[in-house]
Amino acid sequence: SQKIEQNSEALNIQEGKTATLTCNYTNYSPAYLQWYRQDPGRGPVFLLLIRENEKEKRKERLKVTFDTTLKQSLFHITASQPADSATYLCAPNSYDKVIFGPGTSLSVIP
Amino acid sequence: DAGVIQSPRHEVTEMGQEVTLRCKPISGHDYLFWYRQTMMRGLELLIYFNNNVPIDDSGMPEDRFSAKMPNASFSTLKIQPSEPRDSAVYFCASSPQAYSNQPQHFGDGTRLSIL
Repeated sequence: SQKIEQNSEALNIQEGKTATLTCNYTNYSPAYLQWYRQDPGRGPVFLLLIRENEKEKRKERLKVTFDTTLKQSLFHITASQPADSATYLCAPNSYDKVIFGPGTSLSVIP
Repeated sequence: DAGVIQSPRHEVTEMGQEVTLRCKPISGHDYLFWYRQTMMRGLELLIYFNNNVPIDDSGMPEDRFSAKMPNASFSTLKIQPSEPRDSAVYFCASSPQAYSNQPQHFGDGTRLSIL
């Protein structure tokens, strides 16, 4: 069955550093992969989408990579800020389903 | 632009009672999704609609759960009778398309506690 794994531990980093979050998937061939941010008490908010034929996508301080051979996506936040503290969900998306990963909790320490 | 609106934001009720959760999607979005989020199982898709028609309800846990979409601007998720294990945050999301390059837009959820 399809399975998605994200960083098993919460991630704590110093302000100004680059945060790197990992999303691995198995038994699945997604055509797209989306990343969402979720704040406590709120619904997930869409951040970025990358297609299977794209290696990398950038938006401001965010960068996403997609390696279909490794079945992995990396999500980077450069020059991290305390306001980036949240849970980040990856969502590999095929033509008949989208499954959300369990999320990674990121804390950026001032 | 109004986003997805869910009500109530919090619901506390006793086991055995009927619970009705409500959702108003973004106008013009043809797809509506209901999810449940728990610490143990994460965000799980329960059911989704296309143009008010249920397409995939394979995620609905039991017959105690039912969902309807009587028109393009309103959907309900009902649990009857409710049980303590139904306690979770329930999200509604809408999208112009399903399973494509279109993101889903989520409401802020209903936090349900069954005592």
